[in-house]
Amino acid sequence: KAGVTQTPRYLIKTRGQQVTLSCSPISGHRSVSWYQQTPGQGLQFLFEYFSETQRNKGNFPGRFSGRQFSNSRSEMNVSTLELGDSALYLCASSSGQGANYGYTFGSGTRLTVV
Amino acid sequence: LAKTTQPISMDSYEGQEVNITCSHNNIATNDYITWYQQFPSQGPRFIIQGYKTKVTNEVASLFIPADRKSSTLSLPRVSLSDTAVYYCLVPNSGAGSYQLTFGKGTKLSVIP
Repeated sequence: KAGVTQTPRYLIKTRGQQVTLSCSPISGHRSVSWYQQTPGQGLQFLFEYFSETQRNKGNFPGRFSGRQFSNSRSEMNVSTLELGDSALYLCASSSGQGANYGYTFGSGTRLTVV
Repeated sequence: LAKTTQPISMDSYEGQEVNITCSHNNIATNDYITWYQQFPSQGPRFIIQGYKTKVTNEVASLFIPADRKSSTLSLPRVSLSDTAVYYCLVPNSGAGSYQLTFGKGTKLSVIP
C-alpha cells in the first residue's frame, strides 16, 4: 500500500513568488491536513480538508491556502513568499476527519525562500 | 489555544524504560491524545493514542490521568533505533474553532 506522497521534495523560491505543493494521500483516505515545521516553532497546524471542504484552520495568514480534489489529492499554495516561510511542509492523511483517526505523514517538501 | 509542555531532550541507555510526559492546559472533550515519532528527513510516525487511563500496543504504553491534563509515553527497553524526536498531539477547541497543537518535541538519545 503506497504511503503519503508529497511533491516536490525540495524547492527554492525567491521572495515575493508563489508556490504550490502537492500531496497524494493513502488510497481510501479522505482527510488531508497540512503542517509547517521549523526549528523555532516546531510543528504547526495549517489546515485540514475532508471531502473537498476545509474543515479546520490554524493561525496562519491568508497567504496560505489549500484545496482538495475529488480524488482526495490536495494542494497547498503560499503566495507572496517571505523569508520566514522557509520550512518543511508536511501533509498527512487519515480515514476520517480530526486527530482521533491518527495521521499518516508524508516525508515533506523542504521549501527554501531566498 | 492550548499550550503543551514536554522536555526538550532525554538520554537513556539501551535496555532501559523511558517515560516522556506531555502537559497541556486544554484538550477538546471528545478527543484523544496522540504521540508521534520522527526521524531526521522523515515525517512523523504514529506511535500510540489514548483517551483516558492506560493504553498499550506492541511498541509503547500511554498513561493518561483522569483530569486528562497530561499524558506519559512509556517506551520499554529502548534500543538505538528509538533515537528520535517524540511529539504529543493535543486537539483543542476554543472560540468555535478546532485546533491541533503539537508539543515542541522531546529528542531522545539512546546510548549504547
